[in-house]
Amino acid sequence: DQQVKQNSPSLSVQEGRISILNCDYTNSMFDYFLWYKKYPAEGPTFLISISSIKDKNEDGRFTVFLNKSAKHLSLHIVPSQPGDSAVYFCAASGTTGNQFYFGTGTSLTVIP
Amino acid sequence: DGGITQSPKYLFRKEGQNVTLSCEQNLNHDAMYWYRQDPGQGLRLIYYSQIVNDFQKGDIAEGYSVSREKKESFPLTVTSAQKNPTAFYLCASSIPGVETQYFGPGTRLLVL
Repeated sequence: DQQVKQNSPSLSVQEGRISILNCDYTNSMFDYFLWYKKYPAEGPTFLISISSIKDKNEDGRFTVFLNKSAKHLSLHIVPSQPGDSAVYFCAASGTTGNQFYFGTGTSLTVIP
Repeated sequence: DGGITQSPKYLFRKEGQNVTLSCEQNLNHDAMYWYRQDPGQGLRLIYYSQIVNDFQKGDIAEGYSVSREKKESFPLTVTSAQKNPTAFYLCASSIPGVETQYFGPGTRLLVL
C-alpha cells in the first residue's frame, strides 16, 4: 500500500517558469516531509524539508508547501532552470521510528 | 571528504548465487538503510539499522540479509531466495532524530 503518492510521473516546464510538483500522503502520523532530487544512475540528494508544524519552507528558488488537512505537499521551483531537470521524490516519516516512505517520483524536464 | 560509498557500481549475479553489495560511510552516522528502486517505482526499504549489531526488516526484506558489525559498514547480501533481484540498490545513512538521509551513488544489480 503506497503511503506516499506522486500522481504525475512527468512534468515539462519552460525555462524561467514555475515548476510545481505534487505529493499526497495517507498516513496522518507522518510529521516530517522531504524532497529529494535524483539524476540517472546516482543516489538522491536532499533538497528541502518541512515539519508538520509549518505550512511553508523556503530555500532560494525552492519552496515546499504543506497542507495537513488535505494531506498534500507541493514543491515549487521558481524560476526553473535546465539544470533542474531530474526526478524528484517526496518522502515522509513519522515519530514512530526512522522509517522513511518515498513516492514514485516525478520526472521534471525544463526546456531551454 | 565525508560521504557514502557503494561498490561495485554494477554487479552481475548468476542464478542461485548470493551476492553482497558494499556500503561504507564516514559521516559518523548511527543509522543506515538499504533501498531498492525499480523502474516507475519509488524507493522501497529493505533493511535499516539504527545502531551497531542491530537491524530491522523493512517492507521488502524477503530474500535479503544484512549485517552491522561496524558503524561505518552496512553490507547487503542478495540471496538466491530473492527471485527478482534486478534493480538499482541505494544505501543511505542518517543521524537518528535528524530526518535527512544521505544517499550513496547506488549499485545496479543485473541477473545473467
